[in-house]
Amino acid sequence: DQQVKQNSPSLSVQEGRISILNCDYTNSMFDYFLWYKKYPAEGPTFLISISSIKDKNEDGRFTVFLNKSAKHLSLHIVPSQPGDSAVYFCAAATGGGNKLTFGTGTQLKVEL
Amino acid sequence: GAVVSQHPSWVICKSGTSVKIECRSLDFQATTMFWYRQFPKQSLMLMATSNEGSKATYEQGVEKDKFLINHASLTLSTLTVTSAHPEDSSFYICSAGGRVEGLAGGRQETQYFGPGTRLLVL
Repeated sequence: DQQVKQNSPSLSVQEGRISILNCDYTNSMFDYFLWYKKYPAEGPTFLISISSIKDKNEDGRFTVFLNKSAKHLSLHIVPSQPGDSAVYFCAAATGGGNKLTFGTGTQLKVEL
Repeated sequence: GAVVSQHPSWVICKSGTSVKIECRSLDFQATTMFWYRQFPKQSLMLMATSNEGSKATYEQGVEKDKFLINHASLTLSTLTVTSAHPEDSSFYICSAGGRVEGLAGGRQETQYFGPGTRLLVL
């Protein structure tokens, strides 16, 4: 049972444009959400998180939006850069940042 | 940011042997560490939660006698894959909980991940 889903396995965006990565979840007990970036054969690197008491969190080029009623969150990267090319995982947790449930990942490719 | 290391980074072993993977938090103390495995093009799956000084908590479907976890200190957790078989070949990643400073200030709860260990069982 995949409680966190990323329905787009891949996304291609031109440099300078906005990248929008989507994530859906089914467990209404999740109250904390995180986005990670991962390169092949490396561990995930934390990007940004959001608590369920908020609907938006912004950090530099990265903004995460949370729609609790739709059980949907998205990561916006603007402007996109070639170095952003990686696999992006969303993750969810209950009661803070412990015990993460990961989505299946979206491969982002930022083209010149 | 905090650093978590794993050793070895990759290992090839014969079927039936045991393999130990170390996870260290280098600049902070972690009372809780997590072990994940990732199959190619799939998500990270939590295997167990490692608690310092006590028994690990395993996720459903994970054999605790096959994947032995020891968290003897606040900076070290080990995962031993006992009697490894080819189906155990995977990418194993550990993480430790902590807080991180955001680019625009403010602190956020997260987990710091190790670089992972690639295990290939022949």
